[in-house]
Amino acid sequence: EPEVTQTPSHQVTQMGQEVILRCVPISNHLYFYWYRQILGQKVEFLVSFYNNEISEKSEIFDDQFSVERPDGSNFTLKIRSTKLEDSAMYFCASSPTGNSGNTIYFGEGSWLTVV
Amino acid sequence: GQSLEQPSEVTAVEGAIVQINCTYQTSGFYGLSWYQQHDGGAPTFLSYNGLDGLEETGRFSSFLSRSDSYGYLLLQELQMKDSASYFCAVRGPNDYKLSFGAGTTVTVRA
Repeated sequence: EPEVTQTPSHQVTQMGQEVILRCVPISNHLYFYWYRQILGQKVEFLVSFYNNEISEKSEIFDDQFSVERPDGSNFTLKIRSTKLEDSAMYFCASSPTGNSGNTIYFGEGSWLTVV
Repeated sequence: GQSLEQPSEVTAVEGAIVQINCTYQTSGFYGLSWYQQHDGGAPTFLSYNGLDGLEETGRFSSFLSRSDSYGYLLLQELQMKDSASYFCAVRGPNDYKLSFGAGTTVTVRA
């Protein structure tokens, strides 16, 4: 069964450093997302991406965050200057278009620890 | 925006039935979804209701009443492996993104 894959599974970084989280969405999907989940809290939407541009972003997704689809398969989330409060699990997700777009498929997540 | 309310936790014994309620307030509604998340794992899709009524998928069923802005997930014949967090989610009005509730932690005891 096709799946969303993410790397790294876990990253520890120092405050102020740049981090890039990588994702390979399911190949025939056209919508891509990043969500985050702080330990013990709910899954929060960060950004959605369609047709090579951001379609929607939350208030969490400030100027420190950016997304890119550098080639036909990868989808990346960059945090320019990490803060302690960026420590969370980051989930990449994708969905196809049409009615089936109501189902979003999540990757296993990248656990980011900022120290 | 969207807001969803669901109970924070539920405990039940193996073989029991659990109902997780979800009420929502949205600026536009395109259906109610349910996701399961085991500790440290990815949220995985369980069920979707776009129209009023009951959807059944094996031991799990989901119900929606759009007039009441209310839905529920019914877990039947509970098994230990059903211990997880369950999230209701609604789709955004202008996009396919999902907004999640805070989650209900279900603990199944022997």
